Amino acid sequence: EDQVTQSPEALRLQEGESSSLNCSYTVSGLRGLFWYRQDPGKGPEFLFTLYSAGEEKEKERLKATLTKKESFLHITAPKPEDSATYLCAVQSQETSGSRLTFGEGTQLTVNP
Amino acid sequence: GAGVSQSPSNKVTEKGKDVELRCDPISGHTALYWYRQSLGQGLEFLIYFQGNSAPDKSGLPSDRFSAERTGGSVSTLTIQRTQQEDSAVYLCASSLIGINEQFFGPGTRLTVL
Repeated sequence: EDQVTQSPEALRLQEGESSSLNCSYTVSGLRGLFWYRQDPGKGPEFLFTLYSAGEEKEKERLKATLTKKESFLHITAPKPEDSATYLCAVQSQETSGSRLTFGEGTQLTVNP
Repeated sequence: GAGVSQSPSNKVTEKGKDVELRCDPISGHTALYWYRQSLGQGLEFLIYFQGNSAPDKSGLPSDRFSAERTGGSVSTLTIQRTQQEDSAVYLCASSLIGINEQFFGPGTRLTVL
């Protein structure tokens, strides 16, 4: 069974204080690992897809990396508008269709 | 372009009533998914439609839940005889065939009293 564990559950940062969110996973053949951002009362917003160990992707202050067991979402010099819940999900090569298995998320708060 | 839309945005119902939730995927997206997000829990897969293929219903929690997709576009998730534990946000997502990224709608918040 595919499993995704995210840590920490919640993280408070001061504006400009860089940090990382962790996503540990077990999956039968990784097809892709996804990061989403979710604001309160809204649906998840797609950020990144990573396919193989060693891959990295960047978007503004966010950088996602992938190893064979975990992924990190690095946030550099965060701003208050980066406050949201960040969700990690995996897609298995063995699961029928393309369903995503999600972690419970990390709730990030960036204080001005 | 237009994203995934869902209606209603909020639904309050009484225990035992049936409800229908609607999803309009992004135009041209052949894959459509339903997920459920309960308080304090991660998103849970419910059902997947791909083109004209038989849907993958393996995530539906009970036979009170059903879904259909008409004309390869709009989908309706139906919950019969609602229970309080059905209270959650129901999210719809769509994707292009061959593209793995799923794009989510805003969700329908269902409250069963």
